Amino acid sequence: GAGVSQSPSNKVTEKGKDVELRCDPISGHTALYWYRQSLGQGLEFLIYFQGNSAPDKSGLPSDRFSAERTGGSVSTLTIQRTQQEDSAVYLCASREAAGSNTGELFFGEGSRLTVL
Amino acid sequence: AQSVAQPEDQVNVAEGNPLTVKCTYSVSGNPYLFWYVQYPNRGLQFLLKYITGDNLVKGSYGFEAEFNKSQTSFHLKKPSALVSDSALYFCAVRDRRGSQGNLIFGKGTKLSVKP
Repeated sequence: GAGVSQSPSNKVTEKGKDVELRCDPISGHTALYWYRQSLGQGLEFLIYFQGNSAPDKSGLPSDRFSAERTGGSVSTLTIQRTQQEDSAVYLCASREAAGSNTGELFFGEGSRLTVL
Repeated sequence: AQSVAQPEDQVNVAEGNPLTVKCTYSVSGNPYLFWYVQYPNRGLQFLLKYITGDNLVKGSYGFEAEFNKSQTSFHLKKPSALVSDSALYFCAVRDRRGSQGNLIFGKGTKLSVKP
């Protein structure tokens, strides 16, 4: 497809379980972002990948959160030992980053995580 | 540090009336500014951006925004609102001096357009 693809679209899990969320960016986009959207809290930056550079992990809320980007394309966000406060919509976005910082982000439709 | 403020949680307008959704920003350098819209249960869609040049930028669906450097504002406007414009609107900023390209978002403003 032409857009950013995220899976699963919905995930319900029990407290303490691990979850993996997947993002497939637009082909050719070298920059990839993860954001978290909680009710009434806007978008919270989590992590940013740019090409082969070390990722910017400054937004990850705890060491239970981690993300990988394999081969410069697909990314996986992993949340270990989930807590109820992790319940949110996790949004992935990508950007064609060659040469400048002026480009807009293209978002996927998100993965809604509910921790019971 | 970069930040974005959207002072109104909700804006209500009647269909056909002009609408304004407010945004102010804080960056240490000159900004790149963006507006996004989110319809229910959907991801964010890009509306418009200010990079340089003319302070008035036009975007999708008849929206426009004006960059005001002295007031550090980038308010979103539309001359005549439609019911279908009802959605959540996000303003975002990126410091053009940075190499990371991260976007910092405001908390969003819910726009409700009534017939």
